[in-house]
Amino acid sequence: DAGVIQSPRHEVTEMGQEVTLRCKPISGHDYLFWYRQTMMRGLELLIYFNNNVPIDDSGMPEDRFSAKMPNASFSTLKIQPSEPRDSAVYFCASSWPGATGNTIYFGEGSWLTVV
Amino acid sequence: QQQVKQSPQSLIVQKGGISIINCAYENTAFDYFPWYQQFPGKGPALLIAIRPDVSEKKEGRFTISFNKSAKQFSLHIMDSQPGDSATYFCAASKDNNNDMRFGAGTRLTVKP
Repeated sequence: DAGVIQSPRHEVTEMGQEVTLRCKPISGHDYLFWYRQTMMRGLELLIYFNNNVPIDDSGMPEDRFSAKMPNASFSTLKIQPSEPRDSAVYFCASSWPGATGNTIYFGEGSWLTVV
Repeated sequence: QQQVKQSPQSLIVQKGGISIINCAYENTAFDYFPWYQQFPGKGPALLIAIRPDVSEKKEGRFTISFNKSAKQFSLHIMDSQPGDSATYFCAASKDNNNDMRFGAGTRLTVKP
């Protein structure tokens, strides 16, 4: 399997612009997560889906952030309007509740810089 | 949201030494405790994990020690190598619930 695929890998945008990050989870995984990583706050869970349904979005920082999962193989995280403090690495991850535990498989991240 | 507290923030160890990273959790409902390893420019990847029915798990040079009463667990890297230089995250979740909570991370540098 190709693993979790994220795009874009790097994005530089101006404050106020809309940013859309995309994710393709591993086929057969029914959980999808969006995490944000910063030096100050480490790895934060923003939202996660189970079978395409959002389960917990309490980590979404504010209304400027939204996430969708229209089908089992695609999810987006949107920031509108973007602000410099949104600069971070955004990770998409997926998992399935297998017998060996809740292993989460991460993508390589989308590096976002808002100037 | 910080349900898992990790220390130290950074750690420098000489080659061949022992690296020790500590974590503490609050939610007694957690029953799965993994450690993830992240190399620069990559996403975190599962390194080793433990469940609270055992006090220790060893895989090669990596050992998790678990203290259920203290709600603490730690990662020990024996004979640390420069290739182990990475950021390490502890995490916790409830089984059958994929709501994984991560610690803040420890940046390990192993000097040759």
